[in-house]
Amino acid sequence: DIQLTQSPSSLSASVGDRVTISCRASQGIGNYLAWFQQKPGKTPKYLIFSASTLQSGVPLRFSGSGSGTDFTLTITNLQPEDFVTYYCQQYEHYPLTFGQGTRLEMK
Amino acid sequence: QVQLQASGPGLVKPSQTLSLTCSVSGASITSGPYYWSWFRQPAGKGLEWLGRVYTSGSTNYSPSLKSRISMSVDMSRNQLSLDLSSVTAADTAVYYCATGVGWQLPLKPEDNWGQGVLVTVSS
Repeated sequence: DIQLTQSPSSLSASVGDRVTISCRASQGIGNYLAWFQQKPGKTPKYLIFSASTLQSGVPLRFSGSGSGTDFTLTITNLQPEDFVTYYCQQYEHYPLTFGQGTRLEMK
Repeated sequence: QVQLQASGPGLVKPSQTLSLTCSVSGASITSGPYYWSWFRQPAGKGLEWLGRVYTSGSTNYSPSLKSRISMSVDMSRNQLSLDLSSVTAADTAVYYCATGVGWQLPLKPEDNWGQGVLVTVSS
């Protein structure tokens, strides 16, 4: 199985800040990486696929980059609704796997 | 817009089989470009992919569950089903069904998730 390691596990920031979340794969996955956002008690929401392509309707303050084994989710101008949990997911190989999640907390 | 609704018993005894269904509206479950997955999430923990079923009925399962899991499509009811046998407390989680659309490999992650259903394994 491909292991995905997210860092940090939690992150404190303020409204208006810029943050980055890292996702490292245990082997190369090309650009077959997605990012999900999950609010407490809610269904995960798909933000980005192919490492950097925003899903329709996702605000432009979200962006993704990377390929191979190292990927980044960047959120600029943080809004109050962004302080939730984020997961990366690889979809190049079965089984599909997720990172352990990064919780973004308001400072 | 395709809508998904998972349902099933909220409580299952250890060693028994957990059986869930996912009702699909807004599309035929046998429509070619769709694919369907189950995920789960224990309370306070991360997401786990369980398996994927295609309109043909073929499946891909997580190796960690392969000996216990079965997924299928019911064309007459336009539903998916998930069976997980020999459950233990470790199978307690919120279970989600989800769907994606497309043919290009590798298939993109499922972008349409139903509301989850909590299943507790306890005697």
